[in-house]
Amino acid sequence: GAGVSQTPSNKVTEKGKYVELRCDPISGHTALYWYRQSLGQGPEFLIYFQGTGAADDSGLPNDRFFAVRPEGSVSTLKIQRTERGDSAVYLCASSLVRGHIKYFGAGTRLSVL
Amino acid sequence: KNQVEQSPQSLIILEGKNCTLQCNYTVSPFSNLRWYKQDTGRGPVSLTIMTFSENTKSNGRYTATLDADTKQSSLHITASQLSDSASYICVVSGRAGGTSYGKLTFGQGTILTVHP
Repeated sequence: GAGVSQTPSNKVTEKGKYVELRCDPISGHTALYWYRQSLGQGPEFLIYFQGTGAADDSGLPNDRFFAVRPEGSVSTLKIQRTERGDSAVYLCASSLVRGHIKYFGAGTRLSVL
Repeated sequence: KNQVEQSPQSLIILEGKNCTLQCNYTVSPFSNLRWYKQDTGRGPVSLTIMTFSENTKSNGRYTATLDADTKQSSLHITASQLSDSASYICVVSGRAGGTSYGKLTFGQGTILTVHP
């Protein structure tokens, strides 16, 4: 497929556990973004990568959240010691370069019980 | 604080009717404003994008307007169809020099339901 792919589509975990969410951007897109969308809310920015580096991580809510993009393509959002408030849909988007149109994945729905 | 506020929160209209969704923002300095359509269970899809110099932009039955002076935008949907039922999200991007550079500020969306 040519779109942004996110896996898994659904993730159920217990409070206190560690989870990893994966994003495969569109091939050739250098910019990659993570957003979190809680029920009934618009997405909120988490982190933005330009290539391999995190150009802006000011949206990460606390140090339990961490994201990597080691080779400038696939990115992984990591959440440690999950809390029930982390339950949300985590959206990934990519664009050719910053400022170009963003293409979103379908998201990973995380449920922390 | 950079904010994007949308109204109404939800809207129900009959198929074939027109409707207008509103977006007010406080993001400054401003770079561009986008309207996205998000179907249930799917990621947002871009409808329009406008910079501060553009007043209106159309995409089929969707027409977006922007007033950068009053920081207001609207999305007008003409001759609505059942497939227009979705959440419509207004997204504002900040320009270099501001705290919102490189980030998108999202509205919470307007849920549109089109009834036959």
